[in-house]
Amino acid sequence: GAGVSQSPSNKVTEKGKDVELRCDPISGHTALYWYRQRLGQGLEFLIYFQGNSAPDKSGLPSDRFSAERTGESVSTLTIQRTQQEDSAVYLCASSLAQRILTDTQYFGPGTRLTVL
Amino acid sequence: KQEVTQIPAALSVPEGENLVLNCSFTDSAIYNLQWFRQDPGKGLTSLLLIQSSQREQTSGRLNASLDKSSGRSTLYIAASQPGDSATYLCAVKTSGSRLTFGEGTQLTVNP
Repeated sequence: GAGVSQSPSNKVTEKGKDVELRCDPISGHTALYWYRQRLGQGLEFLIYFQGNSAPDKSGLPSDRFSAERTGESVSTLTIQRTQQEDSAVYLCASSLAQRILTDTQYFGPGTRLTVL
Repeated sequence: KQEVTQIPAALSVPEGENLVLNCSFTDSAIYNLQWFRQDPGKGLTSLLLIQSSQREQTSGRLNASLDKSSGRSTLYIAASQPGDSATYLCAVKTSGSRLTFGEGTQLTVNP
């Protein structure tokens, strides 16, 4: 079946512009995660959606970052007034979230964001 | 705050060698630990998941161990091949909502 997809694959923008990144999770996966990966570093957790529960936004680095999810489908991550330090690969993952001990996250290919 | 450290940051070996990648974490209250592989321009692929009550998991030439009390895990790769070249990431789950990742080990296997 189809995996997690993300669009665009690459985005170049100018400092101060807003950007919107999209994630299509695996069908039937109730949980959706956004991570950020700066060059040469590990992944940083940004935000988590689980069904109809309030999202866990504790990883968002500033109020310029926000995310939405429509039901158990598509999610968009929006970055307002982009800064050069926002340049990174933004990765989305989804999971069934049925058993916390064995739940595996499946990752998309990421969106590479470059802020000039 | 959970912190995950991976050693070494980079490793280059000749084909056929057995090798060990190391991961350590500061908070032993974890649900599970996962090893992922990341290829350039692609997403992460889960290799092995070890539940907190388990000591090790095996898949083909890969074996991962977990010592939760000491906050350590190792990924053992037997008979390495050039196709194993990638970045290997270790991640621990300490809540239902997030994984905490190390910075990865970049592995190069030379033919």
